[in-house]
Amino acid sequence: GENVEQHPSTLSVQEGDSAVIKCTYSDSASNYFPWYKQELGKRPQLIIDIRSNVGEKKDQRIAVTLNKTAKHFSLHITETQPEDSAVYFCAQEGGFKTIFGAGTRLFVKA
Amino acid sequence: GAGVSQSPSNKVTEKGKDVELRCDPISGHTALYWYRQRLGQGLEFLIYFQGNSAPDKSGLPSDRFSAERTGESVSTLTIQRTQQEDSAVYLCASSLAIGELFFGEGSRLTVL
Repeated sequence: GENVEQHPSTLSVQEGDSAVIKCTYSDSASNYFPWYKQELGKRPQLIIDIRSNVGEKKDQRIAVTLNKTAKHFSLHITETQPEDSAVYFCAQEGGFKTIFGAGTRLFVKA
Repeated sequence: GAGVSQSPSNKVTEKGKDVELRCDPISGHTALYWYRQRLGQGLEFLIYFQGNSAPDKSGLPSDRFSAERTGESVSTLTIQRTQQEDSAVYLCASSLAIGELFFGEGSRLTVL
């Protein structure tokens, strides 16, 4: 069945450094890969997504890369700021069903 | 409404009681999802609806859990004979098609 592995589970970086979160998936039919950010006590919100017909997408300090052959995709946050501290979830969607990774708790130390 | 609305926001119940959680999706969104999130954990898929039908119920933890959707709008998640392990935040999300999920604020369920 569908499965998404996400690493690391916890990531601590110094303000201004980069953060990278990686995910692998099993369903080769998936063609949509979103990333959600969930701040403490809040609902998850989409921050960036990528579809299978592109390999990379960037939005200001956030970028996502996708390798369909290897079935993995990554989130890159550059110049991290304290407000980037949150839990980040990768996800895959196949046939309208969205499955999430276990999440990465990112701490950005000022 | 402007966003996904869930009620109640908080529910405290005794073990063995039944509970109903409601979700009002964004108008026009055909897909509706239910997820469970235990404290400090990830988003556990429960069920999704495409229109009023539920093509995939594989995530429902047991036969105590059921969900329905009427009029391609409101959905209700029912948990019968609640157990303490059912305590969690139940999140509803809707989407127009393959794409962004819009989440509600969730219903926090506490089973004593």
